[in-house]
Amino acid sequence: EAGVVQSPRYKIIEKKQPVAFWCNPISGHNTLYWYLQNLGQGPELLIRYENEEAVDDSQLPKDRFSAERLKGVDSTLKIQPAELGDSAVYLCASSLIGENEQFFGPGTRLTVL
Amino acid sequence: GNSVTQMEGPVTLSEEAFLTINCTYTATGYPSLFWYVQYPGEGLQLLLKATKADDKGSNKGFEATYRKETTSFHLEKGSVQVSDSAVYFCALQEYGNKLVFGAGTILRVKS
Repeated sequence: EAGVVQSPRYKIIEKKQPVAFWCNPISGHNTLYWYLQNLGQGPELLIRYENEEAVDDSQLPKDRFSAERLKGVDSTLKIQPAELGDSAVYLCASSLIGENEQFFGPGTRLTVL
Repeated sequence: GNSVTQMEGPVTLSEEAFLTINCTYTATGYPSLFWYVQYPGEGLQLLLKATKADDKGSNKGFEATYRKETTSFHLEKGSVQVSDSAVYFCALQEYGNKLVFGAGTILRVKS
């Protein structure tokens, strides 16, 4: 069974540029999560989807971050414009509704110069 | 809010040594507790979990017991291997399946 797929794995951009990350969850998983992991810290939830609905986006900085999951399968997280402090690893995870185990992708490491 | 505190690393051990990584939590109610492991270049993987007080989670020789009295979930392994070198994260699960993670503990095992 394929795991959670994320792309790109690495991204380097100049500050003020836009950037987007893509995630394809495990087939059949209707819950999808985006986490932010700063260096030396644990992941922090940005947004959680159940199917195509964002059910928890309270930690998403909506002035520059946006996310979508239009067909309830894969998802895109966007930052526009990126700031130096956005340099981090962006993790995607998925699970079945009602199941407490989350499966994580390898993450996208973003460097903002 | 809820939070998780882990012992700081890095923890450096020789092969076959005993491992303990301390984890304590602050939470309302009785959340489910998890240990995740992150090997170099890979995503987080669930190592073990416990859903109620006094439950013991175990996997691959690792164990952790949910201690309500001390609000702890310490990770232990009797004999570590070089292949156990990774970053270990303790986490609790809030309402709505949100995971709250500790900062992670780096484990290095020398042969």
